[in-house]
Order: sequence, then C-alpha cells, then structure tokens
Amino acid sequence: EDQVTQSPEALRLQEGESSSLNCSYTVSGLRGLFWYRQDPGKGPEFLFTLYSAGEEKEKERLKATLTKKESFLHITAPKPEDSATYLCAVQSRDDKIIFGKGTRLHILP
Amino acid sequence: DAGITQSPRHKVTETGTPVTLRCHQTENHRYMYWYRQDPGHGLRLIHYSYGVKDTDKGEVSDGYSVSRSKTEDFLLTLESATSSQTSVYFCAISDVRGGDTQYFGPGTRLTVL
Repeated sequence: EDQVTQSPEALRLQEGESSSLNCSYTVSGLRGLFWYRQDPGKGPEFLFTLYSAGEEKEKERLKATLTKKESFLHITAPKPEDSATYLCAVQSRDDKIIFGKGTRLHILP
Repeated sequence: DAGITQSPRHKVTETGTPVTLRCHQTENHRYMYWYRQDPGHGLRLIHYSYGVKDTDKGEVSDGYSVSRSKTEDFLLTLESATSSQTSVYFCAISDVRGGDTQYFGPGTRLTVL
C-alpha cells in the first residue's frame, strides 16, 4: 500500500538552530515527491518537487533532498517566520497523490 | 496567490442537511481537486475534475458528489451532512495532473452538528 510517513510530528527549535525533517515513503513507481508549507488557517503552499534519488533543491534556508526511500527537508539557521507545518506528498505511477500528516515546526526567537 | 477562491469560508450546519461548497478559479487550469484535512490525517482527495463535466473519485468520496459545468467552477456537495464530515475542505487547481503545479485555495471550515 502506498504511504507517506513524516517525522517528527512536531519540532521546536531555537532561532538559528539547524535541523532536518524526514519524509519516508513507499509508493508504486515514484513520479515525484513534493514539499509544501502550510501556515495556520491557510492552504498549502508549494515549495519543491524532487523526481529522482540524489536530486536536491534549495530555496533560501530550505534544502530538500531525495533518496530511494525518503526525503529530507533541511532547515539552516531558521528564523521565527519559518514556523509552519511542512507537508510531504508523493505521486505514484498511476498519478495518485498521497500526503503525509505533516511536521509542525516552531522556531523560538 | 493563484486566483482561487472558496465559498463559504466557514459554515455550521446540522446533520442531515445538504451543503454545497464552491471553488472558483481565474487561472483557466484544467484540473481541479477537492481535499479534506483532518487532525491525525494527511490531506485526502475526495474528488477531482480533469475538464468540464469530467470528474473522478478520490480515496474518500463516499457521501460526496461534485459537478463542474464551467472551467472556472467546481462544486462539492454533501447530500446529507454527517458529523464525520466536519472538516476543513481545500480546493486545488493544476495545469497538469501532478503535485508540483497544485495551487490550493484558502479552505472552508465546515462544522456539522
């Protein structure tokens, strides 16, 4: 069965304290893995797409990486405005999109 | 923000009443989706549309129906609302069938008493 597991469920960091969020997946024929950011009371906002193992994408303090079984979202020197829920999703070969439950990230000033 | 609006943004209704949620886009995207988001679950696809009058079921479609008579509008109907349908509903649009080009609306919070 296709599934996506994100860990940890919640993470509290001090401003400037770098860390990583994990997204592990099992899917029949990965067509793409996606990271979204979701702020309270809003819809998810697209961040990255990764298509194959070894691929990396960067945006400001965020870097996403992909292996054959998992993806990491690395956050370098985070700021309070990086606080949000980060969602991971995968697209299978039959175009089904499965979302993880998300990681709630809180950056303390 | 992509041109997606949802209405209403909040609704409280009673068990057994019909409810229709509306998604409107100004981007002329082909695909439109309805998701629900609940604590302890990821976003789950209810129905999607790949063109006017072309729709298909997602993983949690029981109790929901959809209609798309115009490119810009995608309606989600709960024929007889139940408390288990209390949720936040998100509409999304995309140009191609995939996750990277999905743009989400602001959501509708529905409470069924």
